[in-house]
Amino acid sequence: EVQLVESGGGLVQPGRSMKLSCAASGFTFNNYDMAWVCQAPKKGLEWVATISYDGSSTYYRDSVKGRFTISRDNAKSTLYLQMDSLRSEDTATYYCARHYYDGTYYYFDYWGQGVMVTVSS
Amino acid sequence: DIQMTQSPASLSASLGETVTIECRASEDIYNGLAWYQQKPGKSPQLLIYNANSLHTGVPSRFSGSGSGTQYSLKINSLQSEDVASYFCQQYYNYPPTFGGGTKLELK
Repeated sequence: EVQLVESGGGLVQPGRSMKLSCAASGFTFNNYDMAWVCQAPKKGLEWVATISYDGSSTYYRDSVKGRFTISRDNAKSTLYLQMDSLRSEDTATYYCARHYYDGTYYYFDYWGQGVMVTVSS
Repeated sequence: DIQMTQSPASLSASLGETVTIECRASEDIYNGLAWYQQKPGKSPQLLIYNANSLHTGVPSRFSGSGSGTQYSLKINSLQSEDVASYFCQQYYNYPPTFGGGTKLELK
């Protein structure tokens, strides 16, 4: 059974940093691209970042480029999101998701339970 | 970025009814579309991928259709456990983008 378990959220002041983790199990982690998707309170979903299966390529939404860094440790089957220079508009639940490739397209086939990040003074 | 417009934003239906949710893309997405279900307080779950393929374990009362810029999710014989929000998402082009969601409630 595919399991993705996020950790590391909480309350943080504007301008500070926070690092999220996502522990994966139930599949061969280093065979899959992985992603972070966020959802602001009572709002819709927004893709944040994706990292390739081997960590060699990363992709970010414009609003987090230069502030967020996605990374992975395949030996530990763990995905990370380092969030720097946090802003109030980054307040959201952050989901770790497997970014599955079916030969033609990528889509998010499994999601973690999410972790809340609140940016406030 | 490709804009995804979902309708309706909210929907009330009775048990056993058939429900349809629409999603329109701002340009042709060549069936690069998924539908997700998100129950209150839970994470999104994949229902449909590539516009009309049912994800593993999803009940057959869910189906997807469409092409080009117009797509729809149909739920046959609505069950109480289908109360949730539903989101479409295009993955034809980066960045992947989501519709605003449809909140489905029981009448």
